[in-house]
Amino acid sequence: KQEVTQIPAALSVPEGENLVLNCSFTDSAIYNLQWFRQDPGKGLTSLLLIQSSQREQTSGRLNASLDKSSGRSTLYIAASQPGDSATYLCAVPTGANNLFFGTGTRLTVIP
Amino acid sequence: DTGVSQDPRHKITKRGQNVTFRCDPISEHNRLYWYRQTLGQGPEFLTYFQNEAQLEKSRLLSDRFSAERPKGSFSTLEIQRTEQGDSAMYLCASSLGRGSVNTQYFGPGTRLTVL
Repeated sequence: KQEVTQIPAALSVPEGENLVLNCSFTDSAIYNLQWFRQDPGKGLTSLLLIQSSQREQTSGRLNASLDKSSGRSTLYIAASQPGDSATYLCAVPTGANNLFFGTGTRLTVIP
Repeated sequence: DTGVSQDPRHKITKRGQNVTFRCDPISEHNRLYWYRQTLGQGPEFLTYFQNEAQLEKSRLLSDRFSAERPKGSFSTLEIQRTEQGDSAMYLCASSLGRGSVNTQYFGPGTRLTVL
């Protein structure tokens, strides 16, 4: 049974700092991994999707890596801004099509 | 706005009442998903449609829950005889479902409060 863990559960950093969010999964037989952002009381915004054949995916200040063999993914955020404050969720496909989510990391960027 | 939309955004109901939520996916997306999210947790899968066919249901989807997607366009999720434990955010997502590139796009959610 797939388990997805995100550490830390919460993180506070001063503005401008680079940071790394971690996601680990127990079943490495995945064909992609997706990172999402969720603002309080809102839906999810897709940030990056990494296919199993890729090791990295970049979008602006975000860089996500995937290491299937070790069951890990990281989301790197460069030069953090207060607007980056949100909960970040990673998810892997399970079954035919649905996503299995971690519990998220709540990020606060302090101005 | 061409994103996923959900209606209503908020619903407050009394225990025992029935509620129905609507989701309109991105127009060209053939796959539609429902998830439930409780406070401090990640979303949990409820059910999945490909076009009008409901292909997968989670064990979380008790007999009081029913979902439909007539004509493969919008979808409805109905909860009968609501219980306080049903209080959660109900999220809808859609995707094109092409091979392994199956990015799911989420709507804003419907927050249900059962009193």
